[in-house]
Amino acid sequence: DIVMTQSPDSLAVSLGERATINCKSSQSVLYNSNNKNYLGWYQQKPGQPPKLLIYWASTRESGVPDRFSGSGSETDFTLTISSLQAEDVALYYCQQYYSTPRTFGQGTKVEIK
Amino acid sequence: QVQLQESGPRLVKPSETLSLTCTVSGGSFSSYYWSWIRQPAGKGLEWIGRIYASGSTDYNPSLKSRVTMSVDTSKNQFSLKLSSVTAADTAVYYCARDLDRGSDYWGQGTLVTVSS
Repeated sequence: DIVMTQSPDSLAVSLGERATINCKSSQSVLYNSNNKNYLGWYQQKPGQPPKLLIYWASTRESGVPDRFSGSGSETDFTLTISSLQAEDVALYYCQQYYSTPRTFGQGTKVEIK
Repeated sequence: QVQLQESGPRLVKPSETLSLTCTVSGGSFSSYYWSWIRQPAGKGLEWIGRIYASGSTDYNPSLKSRVTMSVDTSKNQFSLKLSSVTAADTAVYYCARDLDRGSDYWGQGTLVTVSS
C-alpha cells in the first residue's frame, strides 16, 4: 500500500493569512504515460462527507474558490489556502488514487488563530 | 446532479454481517466505479473497496477476507457486506463515485454501530 503522511496534524492561521498543508507519499504517484500525479485533496467539515477540492495534484474541482491551490509532484505535495476564510475551518485530507487500495493521509485540522 | 444515499441497519451485533446499500440518482450509473469508504469517530478515512457497474471489484487487502460488494444496475444500487464485525468496525460508512481523478460525489454517510 502507498502510505500518505500529512504535516502538520493541525494548524491555526489568522483570517486572511496563508495556510499550507503538506502531503508525502511513500512512493511516486506520477504516471509517466500521461505525466499526471494521481493525488487529490479533500475538505471535510463536521457532520459532512469529504468534498473533492483538487485533483491531479493541482487542478481545482469546479466551483472551488481560487484561494485553494495544489502543487507538487511524484512524492511531495502541498495544498495552499492563500487567504484563509472562516468557512475554510475544516479537516483536509490528501488521497492517492495511483493504485488500489486508495489511501488517505491522516488529515490536517485547520483552525482560526 | 448526482446524489448518493446509504441505507441499512444502524446497529449490528458482534460477529454478524454489516449490510449497506447505496442508491444513486441523477446521473449515469453504468460507466463508473462506485466505492465504499469508512471513518471511525474522530479518525481518518479508510477506503474499503470499489465495484464497477459490470461487477468487477477491488478490495482493500486489510478487509478483503470479510468484504463482499455487489451491484444492481436495474436499481442503480450497489451494496457492501462486511462479515464477522467487531467494535472496530463501528464507523460512518460513505458511498462515493470513484473516478480516475478521485471521488467527486459522496453520500451523506451512515453511522453503523457494532454492539450487542
